[in-house]
Amino acid sequence: ELKVEQNPLFLSMQEGKNYTIYCNYSTTSDRLYWYRQDPGKSLESLFVLLSNGAVKQEGRLMASLDTKARLSTLHITAAVHDLSATYFCAVEDSWGKLQFGAGTQVVVTP
Amino acid sequence: KAGVTQTPRYLIKTRGQQVTLSCSPISGHRSVSWYQQTPGQGLQFLFEYFSETQRNKGNFPGRFSGRQFSNSRSEMNVSTLELGDSALYLCASSPRGVYGYTFGSGTRLTVV
Repeated sequence: ELKVEQNPLFLSMQEGKNYTIYCNYSTTSDRLYWYRQDPGKSLESLFVLLSNGAVKQEGRLMASLDTKARLSTLHITAAVHDLSATYFCAVEDSWGKLQFGAGTQVVVTP
Repeated sequence: KAGVTQTPRYLIKTRGQQVTLSCSPISGHRSVSWYQQTPGQGLQFLFEYFSETQRNKGNFPGRFSGRQFSNSRSEMNVSTLELGDSALYLCASSPRGVYGYTFGSGTRLTVV
């Protein structure tokens, strides 16, 4: 069974500093997704990573995928308050089902 | 392009009742998946429908069921509601066979 582990589960960030969220998964997959969720809201798609070595960037967020290590990272550069949210990684299994990590709650403070 | 539409947004039900939630996918998307989100268990897969057929099912009791219509709209039903069924229910729309899942706004179900 595919297992997805995210860490840390909680991240208190200072504005202007850089941080990384890690997502490890247990079985082979070539499709990994990052989502953002604001309190009481749905999941907003951030990135889709489809192959080994894939790197995607949008604003202050950059995601990468290493399928050999079964690891994805979400790097946040110069954190700002607007990035406060919960971030989920999800790995797609061979049946097309998404297995989600537990989520990382990010709080950015001045 | 319209997104994924879930109705209703909020529901309050009593234990033992049943409930039906609806999901209209993005036009042209034929796959609809359902997920349950709770603080304790996180996001868990319920089932997936494609072309009116259930293709995948998660580890949920038989009280949870679903169906998909010819226009790709999907409904999920929960019978004999329990307090633990209180959750945010999300549906995701996908073209299937192609990457990418778009989530609806969710239905917040509260069982009292």
